Amino acid sequence: SQTIHQWPATLVQPVGSPLSLECTVEGTSNPNLYWYRQAAGRGLQLLFYSVGIGQISSEVPQNLSASRPQDRQFILSSKKLLLSDSGFYLCAWSVPRFNSNQPQHFGDGTRLSIL
Amino acid sequence: SQELEQSPQSLIVQEGKNLTINCTSSKTLYGLYWYKQKYGEGLIFLMMLQKGGEEKSHEKITAKLDEKKQQSSLHITASQPSHAGIYLCGADSQGGSEKLVFGKGTKLTVNP
Repeated sequence: SQTIHQWPATLVQPVGSPLSLECTVEGTSNPNLYWYRQAAGRGLQLLFYSVGIGQISSEVPQNLSASRPQDRQFILSSKKLLLSDSGFYLCAWSVPRFNSNQPQHFGDGTRLSIL
Repeated sequence: SQELEQSPQSLIVQEGKNLTINCTSSKTLYGLYWYKQKYGEGLIFLMMLQKGGEEKSHEKITAKLDEKKQQSSLHITASQPSHAGIYLCGADSQGGSEKLVFGKGTKLTVNP
């Protein structure tokens, strides 16, 4: 069966420090991968998604970037964190859609606090 | 862009009571997904609805899709404390897209 791992679970970082959050998926090949941020009152916001190695689509201009160095690995990064980057970050995967709808499956999330 | 509005925003019920959560789309629904989230955790996939009039059940949770009304409802029968959490609906944002848009969620509290 497929599993998704996301770490760390919680992170406290000072403003201006770098960030690296990692997500890996097991038990499937060539998944679609997604990074979301969930902030109170704003719902779930799609940040990046990827349909293949090295293919990244950015949904919202921001201080973050994403990379997919391997088929089942998705990394969210920042060179200098801002206070506004605080939030709950979720990674998700799905089977590529082709001609049928496919649900996304989520990791346990990372709670990021910027001081 | 497509938007999903969920109602109510929050709901408090007594254990054993039935309840309904609604999800209304600003555009045509090409697929509707229901998720449950406990605070501080990831989203758990509950059900996917694809066709108008489709109805699916998972244990005591039933979801229906009304394409004409661009709406889906989630109904819980004989609620239990284990049903407590945040319920989110998600939808294919463009029809054939790899992306989903989500509602802001409905927070459900079930009092024993």
